[in-house]
Amino acid sequence: DTGVSQNPRHKITKRGQNVTFRCDPISEHNRLYWYRQTLGQGPEFLTYFQNEAQLEKSRLLSDRFSAERPKGSFSTLEIQRTEQGDSAMYLCASSLVLSRQEKLFFGSGTQLSVL
Amino acid sequence: AQKVTQAQTEISVVEKEDVTLDCVYETRDTTYYLFWYKQPPSGELVFLIRRNSFDEQNEISGRYSWNFQKSTSSFNFTITASQVVDSAVYFCALSTLKISNQFYFGTGTSLTVIP
Repeated sequence: DTGVSQNPRHKITKRGQNVTFRCDPISEHNRLYWYRQTLGQGPEFLTYFQNEAQLEKSRLLSDRFSAERPKGSFSTLEIQRTEQGDSAMYLCASSLVLSRQEKLFFGSGTQLSVL
Repeated sequence: AQKVTQAQTEISVVEKEDVTLDCVYETRDTTYYLFWYKQPPSGELVFLIRRNSFDEQNEISGRYSWNFQKSTSSFNFTITASQVVDSAVYFCALSTLKISNQFYFGTGTSLTVIP
């Protein structure tokens, strides 16, 4: 197991286009998180899944954003009609929740640039 | 509200010097967890330590040590005899679980160790 994997590493798109990112968590991890990080800031929570159920969404997650985790394995984050303000690093993290002993393992992120 | 403050934006030290990174948190929950993550230039956040609110014992791991003080709501991180490989952005994070399962991150402290 090589950890959390995210694809692509970089994505450049034109404003108004749709983009989709993929995250493959550590196998057997039951929770999967999406975070967004802009330059000079810490990661900001977007949403998380417990198995295949999306249990929490941030107010940051506008209706242009949608995330899925079919079958409780990999997850996708789609941004529709991208805007320049969507430019950021999108981070995925997974965790195994056992007796509240939770810690997040992060992927290397997908850097999105909206032109 | 949950909040993490890392007042030090950037720190530079000369190799072999000790350095302390400050973290102050806010939460009304009595049960919470504090974390430190390291983000090297490659971008992937690496877990360093997790501490729960009931355990105020300080911890030492090699050149790293953490000082948790509930009285001042602080969870400071000290690197002893710093090395160039310690250069990275360090994030302090808070998880309360009661209100939300999200992790709240500070804005990070960028540490540069000069050879």
